[in-house]
Amino acid sequence: AQSVTQLGSHVSVSEGALVLLRCNYSSSVPPYLFWYVQYPNQGLQLLLKYTSAATLVKGINDFEAEFKKSETSFHLTKPSAHMSDAAEYFCAVSDRGSGNTGKLIFGQGTTLQVKP
Amino acid sequence: ETGVTQSPTHLIKTRGQQVTLRCSSQSGHNTVSWYQQALGQGPQFIFQYYREEENGRGNFPPRFSGLQFPNYSSELNVNALELDDSALYLCASSLAGRGDNYGYTFGSGTRLTVV
Repeated sequence: AQSVTQLGSHVSVSEGALVLLRCNYSSSVPPYLFWYVQYPNQGLQLLLKYTSAATLVKGINDFEAEFKKSETSFHLTKPSAHMSDAAEYFCAVSDRGSGNTGKLIFGQGTTLQVKP
Repeated sequence: ETGVTQSPTHLIKTRGQQVTLRCSSQSGHNTVSWYQQALGQGPQFIFQYYREEENGRGNFPPRFSGLQFPNYSSELNVNALELDDSALYLCASSLAGRGDNYGYTFGSGTRLTVV
């Protein structure tokens, strides 16, 4: 069965600093992996996804993530944090093994705080 | 192109009552998935509807049920509400039953509080 672990429930960075949010996955089949962002009182917005093409995936707002099979990781990075990046971030893996629903299995989330 | 619309945005119910949440899917999408997001947690898959039939279900009891209509809109019904049902309920629409391939569009959710 697929699962996702996000390391660090809270991450704090200064404005302009590198953002690194960690995600490790477990999957018995080649995974599809996703990062979503959630602003307060809003739904989920897709930042980027990996679906077995290039291992370095570029998303919106200068976010990117690298799929590393050997480390079963899919960490999210951004070179320079903006105040507007403060939000909750979720890593998710697609459940491709059962019933072909493509349902998403989410991690617990990481709250990103950006300090001026 | 309209996004996913959920109603109501907030509601408060009493333990034991029943509730219906509604979702209008994005134009062109024929699949709807429902997720429950408890406070401080990641969303958890409840079930998915494709072509008006349940197409997969998560680890939720039968008192959680749903419908999908010919226009692809959907309802989530919860009977015999419990305090632990308090959560943000998210609807996500996708195309052709495989949101992981074609992408999910999430609504802003319905915040349910059970007292």
